[in-house]
Amino acid sequence: EPEVTQTPSHQVTQMGQEVILRCVPISNHLYFYWYRQILGQKVEFLVSFYNNEISEKSEIFDDQFSVERPDGSNFTLKIRSTKLEDSAMYFCASSVDGESPLHFGNGTRLTVT
Amino acid sequence: AQSVTQLGSHVSVSEGALVLLRCNYSSSVPPYLFWYVQYPNQGLQLLLKYTTGATLVKGINGFEAEFKKSETSFHLTKPSAHMSDAAEYFCAVSGVGGGGNKLTFGTGTQLKVEL
Repeated sequence: EPEVTQTPSHQVTQMGQEVILRCVPISNHLYFYWYRQILGQKVEFLVSFYNNEISEKSEIFDDQFSVERPDGSNFTLKIRSTKLEDSAMYFCASSVDGESPLHFGNGTRLTVT
Repeated sequence: AQSVTQLGSHVSVSEGALVLLRCNYSSSVPPYLFWYVQYPNQGLQLLLKYTTGATLVKGINGFEAEFKKSETSFHLTKPSAHMSDAAEYFCAVSGVGGGGNKLTFGTGTQLKVEL
């Protein structure tokens, strides 16, 4: 069964550094998402992306965050200047359309020191 | 706005016993409801979903859930627990418009299955 793949599985970075989290959605999917889960807290919606633009974003998704689909397969989340509170598990997800259930990747654990 | 409350962050059952994981939701529009499971070091896997129609929905691995509008609940059950069911379970509700994409999750319930 096709899967959403995320790399790396674990990233450690220093506060203030830029990080890029990478995702390869399922090939025929058109809608892409990022969610995050701070340790011990809820999984939270960050952003949805369709037709090469952001369709919706949460309050968490401030100017430090950006998303991009640089080619036909990758979907990236960039955090421009990381803070300690950005430490979390980041999940990428995709869906065929805006109504179908999401398929999640295994996540990237980001640790900011 | 939507919200989800999962009662019990940890649930422990014996192998072969009934599994009951509780989920209550709040939604200003007719909800779409989901249960996801997360095994260690893995992503979120869809167990089952309710959109419209039959209120008792069956999912993978023998799980089912019943949508009860009067109780604003969507509890997850399985008649007989198996060791392989040990995982974290998340209840979620869809965003405005009923779309299945923007999800609001509960805090999760860790299920432990003992011999």
